Amino acid sequence: DGGITQSPKYLFRKEGQNVTLSCEQNLNHDAMYWYRQDPGQGLRLIYYSQIVNDFQKGDIAEGYSVSREKKESFPLTVTSAQKNPTAFYLCASSNPRESSSYNSPLHFGNGTRLTVT
Amino acid sequence: AQSVTQPDIHITVSEGASLELRCNYSYGATPYLFWYVQSPGQGLQLLLKYFSGDTLVQGIKGFEAEFKRSQSSFNLRKPSVHWSDAAEYFCAVATTNFGNEKLTFGTGTRLTIIP
Repeated sequence: DGGITQSPKYLFRKEGQNVTLSCEQNLNHDAMYWYRQDPGQGLRLIYYSQIVNDFQKGDIAEGYSVSREKKESFPLTVTSAQKNPTAFYLCASSNPRESSSYNSPLHFGNGTRLTVT
Repeated sequence: AQSVTQPDIHITVSEGASLELRCNYSYGATPYLFWYVQSPGQGLQLLLKYFSGDTLVQGIKGFEAEFKRSQSSFNLRKPSVHWSDAAEYFCAVATTNFGNEKLTFGTGTRLTIIP
């Protein structure tokens, strides 16, 4: 079955350390996204990539970095510059060719819960 | 900029009862509207979407939503809930059909089902 795999499901790090969250998709989707979810808040966009070797900042990119070297992979690095890194991180993908509209549905992974102490 | 409001943080419904989750958006033109559902510890799944046309939209799992321009609302409904519907529900709005990067999510409504 096609889907998005995020690993690990739980991640613990000490303050001051960088940490990389993995996101792999086998849906052959062009676009990939990283969201952050905090209790009582909606999803906030961190970074997105519409094509390989290109990515753009979202609404809350400070303290994060990404790469898109392969179509199926979009890892997110949470750097020590991120002041409040503890959160639930969701990766998603979409393919404009999937529907008649460019706003094709997002397909989500099951998330990584990052705890920094 | 567009915004979306889900006024109910938490709703409790008896199994078999009807359900309506509220969603209000703020945008001057016709928006693109979505409802997503999230089970605990999981990602989100699309329930339904509205782009244009018929204002009553049917989705998966027996859900429907109605777009009311005069009220700037896109409420989600289900005539009879099942215990498996317990989850968090997110309304989202986009102002363009060019990419999900323009998508704004509401803060979510957590649905609890009681026997």
